[in-house]
Amino acid sequence: GQQVMQIPQYQHVQEGEDFTTYCNSSTTLSNIQWYKQRPGGHPVFLIQLVKSGEVKKQKRLTFQFGEAKKNSSLHITATQTTDVGTYFCAQGGGKLIFGQGTELSVKP
Amino acid sequence: GAVVSQHPSWVICKSGTSVKIECRSLDFQATTMFWYRQFPKQSLMLMATSNEGSKATYEQGVEKDKFLINHASLTLSTLTVTSAHPEDSSFYICSAREGTISTDTQYFGPGTRLTVL
Repeated sequence: GQQVMQIPQYQHVQEGEDFTTYCNSSTTLSNIQWYKQRPGGHPVFLIQLVKSGEVKKQKRLTFQFGEAKKNSSLHITATQTTDVGTYFCAQGGGKLIFGQGTELSVKP
Repeated sequence: GAVVSQHPSWVICKSGTSVKIECRSLDFQATTMFWYRQFPKQSLMLMATSNEGSKATYEQGVEKDKFLINHASLTLSTLTVTSAHPEDSSFYICSAREGTISTDTQYFGPGTRLTVL
């Protein structure tokens, strides 16, 4: 079935370094959503991208949707310890299909 | 903002017993609710989609007779894990969507951690 592939699985960074996670699909996506899950917590909605080539920013987070609507990325500038968690992309379209997630750890 | 609650937040039960988990939308009416399962260090896997007043739609590989879903009202859906076994131990998360359009946001509950002994 349809699935979205997310890489990397883990990312360890020093505080202040940048971080990026990528999602790729073999099929065109109607929309893509991003979630953050803190350890022991539940997914928290971050953003939804719908338009081809869309770029949205939330403070230090930048979200992009590819021109072909088959890939997306989340970039965090100058990571902080509060950014720790697992970031999931999810393809929308009636029901959410989650990527495998990228677990981010930040060393102070 | 939209709030979804789950009860209980954690439960420990003996093998062979049944466990009911409730999912409530507190400040909106949820036409659709979703149930997910998440094993440690893994992603969320959609189990089923439930619409108020109709039968749930289960994903491939999910036993509908084992995971009973009832969406009796626009603010409440329940998941009953029947004859639970240790392999059913997992983090069960529900989400609720107010509208019927696919781009409408899903709001997630805090999850229920089930441990079957």
